Amino acid sequence: AQSVTQLDSQVPVFEEAPVELRCNYSSSVSVYLFWYVQYPNQGLQLLLKYLSGSTLVESINGFEAEFNKSQTSFHLRKPSVHISDTAEYFCAVPLNTGNQFYFGTGTSLTVIP
Amino acid sequence: NAGVTQTPKFQVLKTGQSMTLQCAQDMNHEYMSWYRQDPGMGLRLIHYSVGAGITDQGEVPNGYNVSRSTTEDFPLRLLSAAPSQTSVYFCASSSPGGRNTDTQYFGPGTRLTVL
Repeated sequence: AQSVTQLDSQVPVFEEAPVELRCNYSSSVSVYLFWYVQYPNQGLQLLLKYLSGSTLVESINGFEAEFNKSQTSFHLRKPSVHISDTAEYFCAVPLNTGNQFYFGTGTSLTVIP
Repeated sequence: NAGVTQTPKFQVLKTGQSMTLQCAQDMNHEYMSWYRQDPGMGLRLIHYSVGAGITDQGEVPNGYNVSRSTTEDFPLRLLSAAPSQTSVYFCASSSPGGRNTDTQYFGPGTRLTVL
């Protein structure tokens, strides 16, 4: 069965510093991978997704993630974070049954001024 | 489009009470799901529906019922509330194709406390 593991529950980082949020997946079938973001007191929204093709995918707000098949990873990175990036980030993978997803436990990113 | 809406935003129940969490979407999505979010556990799937009249259980269905009489609405019923059901509940929907590649759209959540 597909699943994902997020290795860090909390990541504090200073403003304008780089950040990497780690996600490893376990899957025996073709892999689709997603990153969702949850801003305080809001629902989740899609940040970026890997379906096929280029292993490097980007979001509109400067985040990027690279699909690495040999390391079974899909880490999320940003070269310079802003205060507004403070949020909870979830890695997710579709389940075999229907359009349902398995979500990781989340990584809380806190950007320090 | 309003997207996915949920009511109420907050609710406090006493043990044993019942209630219904409402979820509606105006995007003509066939797939709808209910998740609960608990600290350190991420999101866990409670029930889902692949279309009107069709529902199925997710990872943690006990204590919850769902029905899908219309494409737009997918209410979640707590039959007899327990403190273990204290959580934040999210409803989500996805596009008509229902393929694994489709984006899930989430509502703003309902924060439920059971005393």
